[in-house]
Amino acid sequence: AQTVTQSQPEMSVQEAETVTLSCTYDTSESDYYLFWYKQPPSRQMILVIRQEAYKQQNATENRFSVNFQKAAKSFSLKISDSQLGDAAMYFCASLYSGYSTLTFGKGTMLLVSP
Amino acid sequence: DGGITQSPKYLFRKEGQNVTLSCEQNLNHDAMYWYRQDPGQGLRLIYYSQIVNDFQKGDIAEGYSVSREKKESFPLTVTSAQKNPTAFYLCASSIYGQFETQYFGPGTRLLVL
Repeated sequence: AQTVTQSQPEMSVQEAETVTLSCTYDTSESDYYLFWYKQPPSRQMILVIRQEAYKQQNATENRFSVNFQKAAKSFSLKISDSQLGDAAMYFCASLYSGYSTLTFGKGTMLLVSP
Repeated sequence: DGGITQSPKYLFRKEGQNVTLSCEQNLNHDAMYWYRQDPGQGLRLIYYSQIVNDFQKGDIAEGYSVSREKKESFPLTVTSAQKNPTAFYLCASSIYGQFETQYFGPGTRLLVL
């Protein structure tokens, strides 16, 4: 079975600071994609960023970037210049070639203080 | 605007009752999915469908049923066999393919009376 592990149930950051959320995954597959989704209090899941495993370059979307360490099976999310609107639950997820669906971690709650 | 709609936002089920959650998308996506979210848990897959008139069980399909008669619609029925249905239910869709990004609807909160 494929697994995704988020070891930080909760993280805190102050506005304008940088925070990193951790994620590790377990797979024997060579071809897969990794995702970070954000779930704000409205509870709708919003795609933040995605990474193709075959790409060595780390994905970046504005203030959001990832540190993809394929050998270590690590996929962390860095949020720069944190804003109050970034406060949400963040889920790491994986998608493998042999499966049609996402495998999710249990999430990390990000708190942002003024 | 294209998107995924789920209705109702809140749903109450009585003991022994079947209820149906609606999911509609106008994104012209081929694949659709149902996930269940419990407190402190990630999302778990209930059912998915990659094409019309075909669907597959996910990790927790027991007590649920689905149909896919139209490309735009993928309703989920929570049957009386589902003994612990209280949860948040999320529908998602994607274009057909192995690694396509899934986009989510706003969700339905199901509560048991």
